[in-house]
Parts: sequence; structure tokens; C-alpha cells
Amino acid sequence: DQQVKQNSPSLSVQEGRISILNCDYTNSMFDYFLWYKKYPAEGPTFLISISSIKDKNEDGRFTVFLNKSAKHLSLHIVPSQPGDSAVYFCAASANSGYALNFGKGTSLLVTP
Amino acid sequence: DAGITQSPRYKITETGRQVTLMCHQTWSHSYMFWYRQDLGHGLRLIYYSAAADITDKGEVPDGYVVSRSKTENFPLTLESATRSQTSVYFCASSETALNTEAFFGQGTRLTVV
Repeated sequence: DQQVKQNSPSLSVQEGRISILNCDYTNSMFDYFLWYKKYPAEGPTFLISISSIKDKNEDGRFTVFLNKSAKHLSLHIVPSQPGDSAVYFCAASANSGYALNFGKGTSLLVTP
Repeated sequence: DAGITQSPRYKITETGRQVTLMCHQTWSHSYMFWYRQDLGHGLRLIYYSAAADITDKGEVPDGYVVSRSKTENFPLTLESATRSQTSVYFCASSETALNTEAFFGQGTRLTVV
């Protein structure tokens, strides 16, 4: 059963606007959350992460918000750029686990 | 060059054949992982390793074998390839068990015919 869910397979946003990618999780043991970005024919690359002790983490144009009570996190990209067009994976891990649980990914297209 | 490399990048094999996918990292990370990416499933963990000679199963281990005789290498072997193992395989490594940031290779696209 999928423990990390990205319910939007795709998202299209105009350049300069905000992109919001959403992720839900079911396992309350998850305490660390990451976003990975993946271009075609390349491996995923780490983008930003957040610990469960925080509710927000910001890195340049990228901000991740965590709502533990709702078991929901979101990635905001402001302003969106065409180079942000990629598949974004949400991932989560539990302190006692070694591996990441991934969502199915959301394909973001930023149009000029 | 420092990093994590996978070989081959592309492989076509026949059903029933044994095939080995290679993964090599230069950071001396303790933890290494194999994932497969399939349409509609995202990335799923096949096997992982906490150190040389220590490996364990992930979510989808059936039909795969791994070994870790050296810290830097983590080969994945399909003992008798099946069409359902057609996928893109990603190797990753991380410094700590908490997996705060895993670094991924470029992937191996495997087709079983």
C-alpha cells in the first residue's frame, strides 16, 4: 500500500507564477521528508528536505511546508522557471528505517 | 570523478538470462540502495546495504540478488530475468542511516524480451 501519495500526476504553470506540488503520507512514523527532482534520462537529484520538528524550510525559490496533523506536505516554487520542468518526487523516511518511501511523482511543466 | 555511477546505461536481455547491473560510488558512503522505477509506481526499494557484507530486502526483492563485498560497489543481479523486471533501475548511496540525503546514479534502463 502506497504510504506516500502524490495525487496529481501532472501540473502546468506559467513562467513567473507559483508552482505548488502536494504530497500526503499515511505512516505517522515518518519524521523526515524530502523532495527530489528528476529530468528525463537522469537520476533523481535532491532538492529540499524538512524534519518533522519543523513546519517550513526554505531554500531560495523552493519552500517546503509540513502539516503533521494533516499528514501533508507541499513544495512551493516561486517564481517558476522553464528549467523547473521535471518530475518531482516526494519521499519520506522513518528514524528507524534505512530507505526512502517515494510517491509516484508529479510532472511539472513550466510554460514561457 | 567523484560520484555514483551505474553501468550499463542500457541493457536488453532475454527472458531467463542472468544479468548484473553495476553500481560504484566514490564517497565511501556506508549505505547503498537499489530502486526500480515503473510507470504508476514511482520508485520502489529492491535491496539496501548498511555496510560491506550487510544487505537486506526492500519492498520488491523477489528475483533479485545483491552483494556488497566492497564499500564502493553494490551490484544487483537478476538471476533469471523476466519481462516484469523490465524497468529503470537506480542505485543510490547515503552517508547516514537517517537517509537525510541520498545521491542517485543516472539509472540503467533494462528491457527483458
